[in-house]
Amino acid sequence: QKEVEQNSGPLSVPEGAIASLNCTYSDRGSQSFFWYRQYSGKSPELIMSIYSNGDKEDGRFTAQLNKASQYVSLLIRDSQPSDSATYLCAVNRPGGGADGLTFGKGTHLIIQP
Amino acid sequence: GAVVSQHPSRVICKSGTSVKIECRSLDFQATTMFWYRQFPKQSLMLMATSNEGSKATYEQGVEKDKFLINHASLTLSTLTVTSAHPEDSSFYICSARDRGTQAKNIQYFGAGTRLSVL
Repeated sequence: QKEVEQNSGPLSVPEGAIASLNCTYSDRGSQSFFWYRQYSGKSPELIMSIYSNGDKEDGRFTAQLNKASQYVSLLIRDSQPSDSATYLCAVNRPGGGADGLTFGKGTHLIIQP
Repeated sequence: GAVVSQHPSRVICKSGTSVKIECRSLDFQATTMFWYRQFPKQSLMLMATSNEGSKATYEQGVEKDKFLINHASLTLSTLTVTSAHPEDSSFYICSARDRGTQAKNIQYFGAGTRLSVL
């Protein structure tokens, strides 16, 4: 069973601080890694994609990938109350021909004003 | 940005009826669309992969005769839940992969359909 693991939280962070979200995955063959944000009752919204080891920055968001450790993380700088949501880590499913995504259960992030 | 339209947003139906959900890519061509299901406080689970012009590929444990998928064009896929029962009540979400950026496997999600079967 290919899995994506996340701490469900809630993770509470003061406004303006850095929020750090972590994810591990089991399939070493995975090539594509994504962070989605999901507000309650809504569908996921793509935040970041990352494909190679290292850091990738986009505005206040930085994704980090370490394939050797099978670890993906997301940093949110200058956290805002509007960042409060569930963050889903998703990994592609190689080899099955479908290339669908396997999602973690998500980390519930709360930004405290 | 890439927009995926999904309709209806909410359906309430009686047990035994069939429900059809549409997923459209509005500003890009999608050779592949995906259907996910999300139960309360759970993550998204892939149900099936829909490729334009061919039969859908279903995940293990998903009944293909119950969840009928049609992907007749590069911009439209439909999911029909046949003879729906209360246990089928869930949040159904489609996604579409842009043909132009297929190598990056970026999937854009529709707004989802909340199905309640009475």
